[in-house]
Amino acid sequence: DAKTTQPPSMDCAEGRAANLPCNHSTISGNEYVYWYRQIHSQGPQYIIHGLKNNETNEMASLIITEDRKSSTLILPHATLRDTAVYYCIVSQGGSEKLVFGKGMKLTVNP
Amino acid sequence: DTGVSQDPRHKITKRGQNVTFRCDPISEHNRLYWYRQTLGQGPEFLTYFQNEAQLEKSRLLSDRFSAERPKGSFSTLEIQRTEQGDSAMYLCASSLDGGGYTFGSGTRLTVV
Repeated sequence: DAKTTQPPSMDCAEGRAANLPCNHSTISGNEYVYWYRQIHSQGPQYIIHGLKNNETNEMASLIITEDRKSSTLILPHATLRDTAVYYCIVSQGGSEKLVFGKGMKLTVNP
Repeated sequence: DTGVSQDPRHKITKRGQNVTFRCDPISEHNRLYWYRQTLGQGPEFLTYFQNEAQLEKSRLLSDRFSAERPKGSFSTLEIQRTEQGDSAMYLCASSLDGGGYTFGSGTRLTVV
């Protein structure tokens, strides 16, 4: 079973920041938070992952709370092409497989 | 290298027929994963390989399913005696030592 909870859907205006929440209250100390997204009819795409510290790459920023029980994925300037299902996953990485939940549908509106 | 390739993209088969899908991972990736995805659900894990060794299989992988990765390069997933419930998107992903996965575009199977 997935160890994360995400709202089923969210809307965002084009050009605005999209803040995607995720709860993972049972996360253990050696588990990472991963984010993937899936655009219709394509395979999931890796976005970012982190353990404790906030992370940023060319796609997004990941903010993890100090107690690590929740995190937020930030798309700083959402575009229509960011419309997708976003998956928040906790995993030890390494040999442990990724377990996907249902994810959250983000719709970016013009 | 253009990423993870899956073939075919679409497959329509009659119930009871056997089907085989192929996945070509990123060449330097040692891990290869198969997932299945039905409409409205997230991908469900089926099995994974480290090099040529199949290290884990899900309970979803019934006796009718078999996966191979000869020589630790490409992989095949075969479904024997297909059933309508096998209709789904079959996704392949690869990674280097469990890092971020790169997924292929999937093979959509329709059993009629």
